[in-house]
This record gives sequence, C-alpha cells and structure tokens, in this order.
Amino acid sequence: KAGVTQTPRYLIKTRGQQVTLSCSPISGHRSVSWYQQTPGQGLQFLFEYFSETQRNKGNFPGRFSGRQFSNSRSEMNVSTLELGDSALYLCASSLAPSGGVKTQYFGPGTRLLVL
Amino acid sequence: DAKTTQPTSMDCAEGRAANLPCNHSTISGNEYVYWYRQIHSQGPQYIIHGLKNNETNEMASLIITEDRKSSTLILPHATLRDTAVYYCIVRVADRDDKIIFGKGTRLHILP
Repeated sequence: KAGVTQTPRYLIKTRGQQVTLSCSPISGHRSVSWYQQTPGQGLQFLFEYFSETQRNKGNFPGRFSGRQFSNSRSEMNVSTLELGDSALYLCASSLAPSGGVKTQYFGPGTRLLVL
Repeated sequence: DAKTTQPTSMDCAEGRAANLPCNHSTISGNEYVYWYRQIHSQGPQYIIHGLKNNETNEMASLIITEDRKSSTLILPHATLRDTAVYYCIVRVADRDDKIIFGKGTRLHILP
C-alpha cells in the first residue's frame, strides 16, 4: 500500500506570496492532519480534517488554512508568506475507525523556504 | 504542552539494545503511549503504541510500568540506521488526531 504522499517536496517563495501544499493520504484513510516543523518551535499541530470538515485546529494565524476533498486528499494554503513560515510542513493520515485507536502515518513533508 | 519527559540525547553502541525512557506521570486512564521517530529531514515514522500491556512488533518493544507513569522503548539490536529523534507521546487515541510533540530524544548509534 502506498504511503502518504506530499507535493511539492521543495518550494521557494518570497515574502507576501501565497502557497498551496497538497497531501494524498494512504488509500482508505479518511482523516488528514497537518503539522509545521521549525528548528525553534519543533513539531506543531496546524489542523485536522475528516470527511471534508475541519475537526481540530492549532494555534496558528488565519493566514494558514486548509481543506479536504471528497476523495480525502487535502490541501493547505498559506497566504501573505512571512520569513518565519519557512519550515517543513508535514501531513499525516489515519484510518479514523469509529471508536477505534487512530494511528497517524506521516508523509515525507514539503520543505518551504521563504526569501 | 507535551505531557512527557524524555532525555535530550542518548548514545548506544551498534548491535546493542537501545533503551529509551519516557516519563508520563500525569497520564490519564484513557491515554495511549505512542512512539514515533524522525530521521533527519524525513517525516515522523510510527513505531509502536500501547495502553497498559507491553507490546512488541517487528521494529521495537514497548514496556509500560504497572502504574503507567513511565515507559521504555527498546530497539533490540540497534543499527546505524536507527540514529534519529525519538518522540514519546501520550494521547487519547480513539478521539481526535491531534498529536502534541515534545522535543524527543536524539539517539546516536555509535559504530
């Protein structure tokens, strides 16, 4: 079974631009979560989507947004990029069985550099 | 904030067992213990999880104390490819998917 895939793997943008990152979950997984990893703050939760609905949100400004499509694929968008948005953005998917244990499996990440 | 405490770094000789401790003294009855590792610049890799009983899979063993206030991840025969940051996480695994990561333990496998 293929793992979580993220595109693009690397991206360079300039301040003020916007960026869209894509995540395809493991086949059959319906829940997708996004994380930001920086050297200073470590791994931080951005948001979680299930059945096209945002189920949980971390403490990030409104410039960070996401969505999930009916095929469970997800995108996240960052508008008005700042230098501090340079980070590794990770996507994780889980099967989300009702009442069962949910284990997240991570993709390789998208490394974003903002100049 | 992360609910776990781990040593910042550890060394282990190649071929020996690596024992990574984790304290989670405030763990709740419905919280699971999860372990992930992250090899440099890659996404975190799931290793193992448990609730009360010890668990073993093809990658590692998880030993949870009877009071559940601490646990140990054991890599039975460490190789150089096990060099990574290891994260111990506690979470209510049958609810949402949010994971709160701490700083983890940087494990160095020495040749």
